Amino acid sequence: GIQVEQSPPDLILQEGANSTLRCNFSDSVNNLQWFHQNPWGQLINLFYIPSGTKQNGRLSATTVATERYSLLYISSSQTTDSGVYFCAGDNYGQNFVFGPGTRLSVLP
Amino acid sequence: EPEVTQTPSHQVTQMGQEVILRCVPISNHLYFYWYRQILGQKVEFLVSFYNNEISEKSEIFDDQFSVERPDGSNFTLKIRSTKLEDSAMYFCASIGVRTSGGAIYNEQFFGPGTRLTVL
Repeated sequence: GIQVEQSPPDLILQEGANSTLRCNFSDSVNNLQWFHQNPWGQLINLFYIPSGTKQNGRLSATTVATERYSLLYISSSQTTDSGVYFCAGDNYGQNFVFGPGTRLSVLP
Repeated sequence: EPEVTQTPSHQVTQMGQEVILRCVPISNHLYFYWYRQILGQKVEFLVSFYNNEISEKSEIFDDQFSVERPDGSNFTLKIRSTKLEDSAMYFCASIGVRTSGGAIYNEQFFGPGTRLTVL
C-alpha cells in the first residue's frame, strides 16, 4: 500500500503566525483529505482535495497530484488551531492511509 | 448537515469482556469503515464494509473483531474478548460517492469516535 509522510512532525507558533504543513505520498492518490484532531480526539474534516486548491477562511490547501504531495496553509494562527493535523489518501482499490500527523501548538 | 454519529463516546470495560461500538452512518452512504487510533499514534484502518459484507480488513482485524449492519442504519464493531492493547479511539466513517463533470469523489465522513479503555 501507499506510504504517507508528513512534515514537520512538530510545530510551535506564536499566535498570528502563518504556517505550511506538508504531506508526501509514495504513490499517486485519487482521494486525499486533511483532518484536524482536536484536544477531545475528534477528527474534523478540513478539506477533501485530490487535486487543485481550496480555501476555507484562514485555511487553504493545495494538492499537486502529479508530484504526489499536498500542502496545508494556516494563516494568522489562533490558539484554537492547536492539535494534530493528519493527511490521508488512497489509491484505486486500496485502503485509506493516514500519515503520522503534525502536532501544532499555537502559543498566546 | 448530515453527520456520522457514534455511541458511546467513552466505554470502560474489564479485560476479557465483550464490547459493541455503535455507529450511525449518513443515511444515503453505502461504504462503511472502522479505524483505530492508539493514544499518540496514527489512525489505522481496520475494516471496510459494503453491501452487507466485509470488503477489506487489515491484519489488526483478527477473529476477536466482527462487524455488522443489523438494521440498515446502525453499523457496529464488536470485540469479543477485549485485551489491554485494544484500548484506543475507534472511528467509524462512511463514504458518499458523488460525481461531477465525469470525476468521481469518494470523501470519507468520520464520526466523533468512541474512546475504549480496557482495564
